[in-house]
Amino acid sequence: EVQLVQSGAEVKKPGESLKISCKGSGYSFTSYWIGWVRQMPGKGLEWMGIIYPGDSDTRYSPSFQGQVTISADKSISTAYLQWSSLKASDTAMYYCARGFLGSSSYFDYWGQGTLVTVSS
Amino acid sequence: QSVLTQPPSVSAAPGQKVTISCSGSSSNIGNNYVSWYQQLPGTAPKLLIYDNNKRPSGIPDRFSGSKSGTSATLGITGLQTGDEADYYCGTWDSSLSAKVFGTGTKVTVL
Repeated sequence: EVQLVQSGAEVKKPGESLKISCKGSGYSFTSYWIGWVRQMPGKGLEWMGIIYPGDSDTRYSPSFQGQVTISADKSISTAYLQWSSLKASDTAMYYCARGFLGSSSYFDYWGQGTLVTVSS
Repeated sequence: QSVLTQPPSVSAAPGQKVTISCSGSSSNIGNNYVSWYQQLPGTAPKLLIYDNNKRPSGIPDRFSGSKSGTSATLGITGLQTGDEADYYCGTWDSSLSAKVFGTGTKVTVL
């Protein structure tokens, strides 16, 4: 059974750093892309970027380039999303999802989500 | 600001049919495949349709997808109370080199 299990909810202050995780199981972790999707409170889905754990090829949405860093450790089948300096506007639910890149770019399995709250 | 436009809400009685439109452009829907996701309240999105009209294993045939030009449509027949959710379209945007999602549509079962 394919599963993506994300790390738990976080409460941080503005300016702090953060790294959240997404552990894949039940499939070949290095053979599929893993993407990150943001959902701000009461809002829609936003594609942040995606990584291919097999070779660490990483792509970012223009909206998120330079704002976050996506990485992966294939030895432990885990992908990461990190911030160096959080802002209140980073408060959102973040989902990881297994997917595909290019013309046929869909996400077939999703993590349960990690809620990030940034408040002073 | 999403590049894919969906109606904010649609509604129908149980057993009826609803359709949800997703309007884009030649840089996204016009030249790429469309997928659809269902997000039940308080849960993660779930894939309903991929490659315009294909259903993953376990998705009932009450859900269907189609595409024409720069627009796509999700259809739900035999509407059930359990179908009350937000629905999003998604596709690749060749100009942005990024996946884009629609604005989302809330389905209400009257």
